[in-house]
Amino acid sequence: DADVTQTPRNRITKTGKRIMLECSQTKGHDRMYWYRQDPGLGLQLIYYSFDVKDINKGEISDGYSVSRQAQAKFSLSLESAIPNQTALYFCATSGAPTSGGAGTDTQYFGPGTRLTVL
Amino acid sequence: LAKTTQPISMDSYEGQEVNITCSHNNIATNDYITWYQQFPSQGPRFIIQGYKTKVTNEVASLFIPADRKSSTLSLPRVSLSDTAVYYCLLMDTGRRALTFGSGTRLQVQP
Repeated sequence: DADVTQTPRNRITKTGKRIMLECSQTKGHDRMYWYRQDPGLGLQLIYYSFDVKDINKGEISDGYSVSRQAQAKFSLSLESAIPNQTALYFCATSGAPTSGGAGTDTQYFGPGTRLTVL
Repeated sequence: LAKTTQPISMDSYEGQEVNITCSHNNIATNDYITWYQQFPSQGPRFIIQGYKTKVTNEVASLFIPADRKSSTLSLPRVSLSDTAVYYCLLMDTGRRALTFGSGTRLQVQP
C-alpha cells in the first residue's frame, strides 16, 4: 500500500551492528505497529503505538526498541543485531475503531523490509 | 487472547469455490472475526470482517453460525491470483494486540 512506506526495503548487516528501520504513513492514522515474519510463519507483533505518547510492547519486544517521532512516523531499532533477527519486517497502521463499535479498525501494511543479519 | 485454528493448507482449481474454516471456541463477546490475505513477500491485506450471520463484499463471503465458535471464509470462483495465505483473526474494539497464527496456504491450480 503506497500510503505506508518502509525504508530500507532490503538490508544486509553484520552481527552487533545497530540498525534502524523506518516507517511513514500518509493515511492520517493514529495507530502504528511493527511486526516480524519468519519464513513460512505468521506475523508476530513487536511493538505498537496508539498515539505519539503511547507505546507498548508486543509479543517479541526483546532486542528491539521503537521511536514514534510524529503521528506519521514510527521507527524500529535493533540495538545490536543478531542472526536470529533475520526476518521480514512489516509496519502497519490503523485508525481508531469506528464509532458505535460497529466493527474494528483495519490494519494497512507497508511493503516490508527484508533484513539479513550475518 | 482467544486462539484460532485453521487448516495448514488447501488446494483448489481455477473457477471453483473455496471454503476455509476457522475454529475459535473461546471467542469473546466483543470479538469480531476478521480475515486477511497475504501474498509472498507482501504485507497482509484485509479481506472481510463479521460478527455474526453472513457478510459479503466484492471479494468474499463470511459465514458465522449462531454460536460463533467457527467461521467460514468463502472465495467464489477462485483464480490463480488467489493463491496466497489466508489468516483468521479475532479482533475486539479495544484490540491491544494482533495475533496472526500460521494461516491457511491456498494453492490454486490451472
